[in-house]
Amino acid sequence: QKEVEQNSGPLSVPEGAIASLNCTYSDRGSQSFFWYRQYSGKSPELIMFIYSNGDKEDGRFTAQLNKASQYVSLLIRDSQPSDSATYLCAVWSGGSNYKLTFGKGTLLTVNP
Amino acid sequence: EAQVTQNPRYLITVTGKKLTVTCSQNMNHEYMSWYRQDPGLGLRQIYYSMNVEVTDKGDVPEGYKVSRKEKRNFPLILESPSPNQTSLYFCASSLRDFKGPNEQFFGPGTRLTVL
Repeated sequence: QKEVEQNSGPLSVPEGAIASLNCTYSDRGSQSFFWYRQYSGKSPELIMFIYSNGDKEDGRFTAQLNKASQYVSLLIRDSQPSDSATYLCAVWSGGSNYKLTFGKGTLLTVNP
Repeated sequence: EAQVTQNPRYLITVTGKKLTVTCSQNMNHEYMSWYRQDPGLGLRQIYYSMNVEVTDKGDVPEGYKVSRKEKRNFPLILESPSPNQTSLYFCASSLRDFKGPNEQFFGPGTRLTVL
């Protein structure tokens, strides 16, 4: 059973701080990694995806991937109250099914 | 506007009464999928479709049916709903790419309650 693990949180950070969200996955053959943000009662929306080892930056967001450690993280710089949401890590293991295996999500709260 | 639409958004029904949740996308995506989201269990895939007339089971297909007669539509059918199918349902779609899924676009969700 392929698993994706995240700390459920809640993770609480002050406004302007860096929020660090972590995710580990069990399938060493996993190929693509995604971070989705989900506000309460809303649908997931993609923030970042990453395929290769290393860092990928997009504005205030940085995704980091370490395939050897089977670890992917999301850093949010200059956190804002509007960043308060549940962050879902999702992994694609390859093959013909584009199914994403999701972690249960980490609830982030950014305090003004 | 590029989007995935689902209807209805909210539904309360009774055990055994057949229902259909529609899903439609206007992005010409080949791949479509249904997920359910439950507290403590996260998002789990029910069924997926790689193209018209091509569908297959995900992780939790029991009690559900799907069809893909047109590229844009992927309805989810509950022939005889039961209370354990009370959940938040999401339809998603994406392009097919040799690298795998790039972005999966999610619909707004359908909150289903089966009494």
